[in-house]
Amino acid sequence: GAVVSQHPSRVICKSGTSVKIECRSLDFQATTMFWYRQFPKQSLMLMATSNEGSKATYEQGVEKDKFLINHASLTLSTLTVTSAHPEDSSFYICSARAPEGGGYGYTFGSGTRLTVV
Amino acid sequence: AQKITQTQPGMFVQEKEAVTLDCTYDTSDPSYGLFWYKQPSSGEMIFLIYQGSYDQQNATEGRYSLNFQKARKSANLVISASQLGDSAMYFCAMREGHSNSGYALNFGKGTSLLVTP
Repeated sequence: GAVVSQHPSRVICKSGTSVKIECRSLDFQATTMFWYRQFPKQSLMLMATSNEGSKATYEQGVEKDKFLINHASLTLSTLTVTSAHPEDSSFYICSARAPEGGGYGYTFGSGTRLTVV
Repeated sequence: AQKITQTQPGMFVQEKEAVTLDCTYDTSDPSYGLFWYKQPSSGEMIFLIYQGSYDQQNATEGRYSLNFQKARKSANLVISASQLGDSAMYFCAMREGHSNSGYALNFGKGTSLLVTP
């Protein structure tokens, strides 16, 4: 089945620094990747949709200059949290469109728990 | 407006009993898909079951079944013979449009299920 590898699984960074999260499709080409953020005991909120080779589409209220998304290849999408602050501490999870895999077209990474201190 | 509504923040069920987790949805698109995911404390999203809007029969996957009532716009998850390992957050999600639409999933707020011995 389609597998998405997400790294790192856990990261602690200092306030003001930037953190990059990678999602890599291992056995398929992910033309579309979705990035979600999840605060404790809450739902997954869509942040942005990225298509390979084009600019990401951000949801209302998500700062595109703060959450930089790059989808330069069919197997790799990255989310960079720039100048992170404690309120950016959250669980970030990616999801790829994988029409030929299981899950009826959606495959999730294992998530990244970001803590900004 | 909320597209997916899960009205049960928390549920308890005794081991070996069946439990129903509620989900209602809102869409004007005739083509859509409904998903249920399990999220244990590790954070990974585990796909459980899928129901397409044109599917005539209710979906079943092992101990999971989906009670799909299209006119009422409900897609309740039934877990039979609950096990202690079923304790987790459960999310209902919807994809609007055809399966090739490329749209992201919209998630409900989730239900926390606790299975007791």
